[in-house]
Amino acid sequence: KQEVTQIPAALSVPEGENLVLNCSFTDSAIYNLQWFRQDPGKGLTSLLLIQSSQREQTSGRLNASLDKSSGRSTLYIAASQPGDSATYLCAVSSHPAYEKLTFGTGTRLTIIP
Amino acid sequence: NAGVTQTPKFQVLKTGQSMTLQCAQDMNHNSMYWYRQDPGMGLRLIYYSASEGTTDKGEVPNGYNVSRLNKREFSLRLESAAPSQTSVYFCASSEILGQYALHFGNGTRLTVT
Repeated sequence: KQEVTQIPAALSVPEGENLVLNCSFTDSAIYNLQWFRQDPGKGLTSLLLIQSSQREQTSGRLNASLDKSSGRSTLYIAASQPGDSATYLCAVSSHPAYEKLTFGTGTRLTIIP
Repeated sequence: NAGVTQTPKFQVLKTGQSMTLQCAQDMNHNSMYWYRQDPGMGLRLIYYSASEGTTDKGEVPNGYNVSRLNKREFSLRLESAAPSQTSVYFCASSEILGQYALHFGNGTRLTVT
């Protein structure tokens, strides 16, 4: 059974710093991996989707990497801003049930002005 | 753009009552999903619909039924609510099952007393 872990559960950093969020998964037979952000009381917003054949994806100040062999993904946020404060979740879809995403419980990020 | 719209936003039910959660998307997506989010457990898939006219069970389907009314709408019904169904419910959609980014609604906060 696929399990997804995100450590730490909470992280606070000063504005302007670069930071890395971690995601690990137990079964390397994944179809794809997604990173989401969730603001309080809101739904999830998809940030980046990495297919199993890809190593990384970039969008603006965000860069996500994928290392299937080690069961790890990282989300790199450059030049953090207070507006980046949110909970970040990763989710993987695994063979053969690729319709079912397995979610981590998230890292709550606070950017300190 | 409306994206994925869920109604209602909040609901309180007594044990044994029934209700239907409504979801509609305007992105012409083929696949739609219902998730529940509980503290410390991540999001779990209740039911999904790969395309109009089809529905399948997810990880936690017991106590729920769904209807894919048309390509836009996917409803979730609780026939006899139980306190264990107190949760935040999210509807999501994607272009094709499991292969593209998920788009989420803002959720329905349900309390069963």
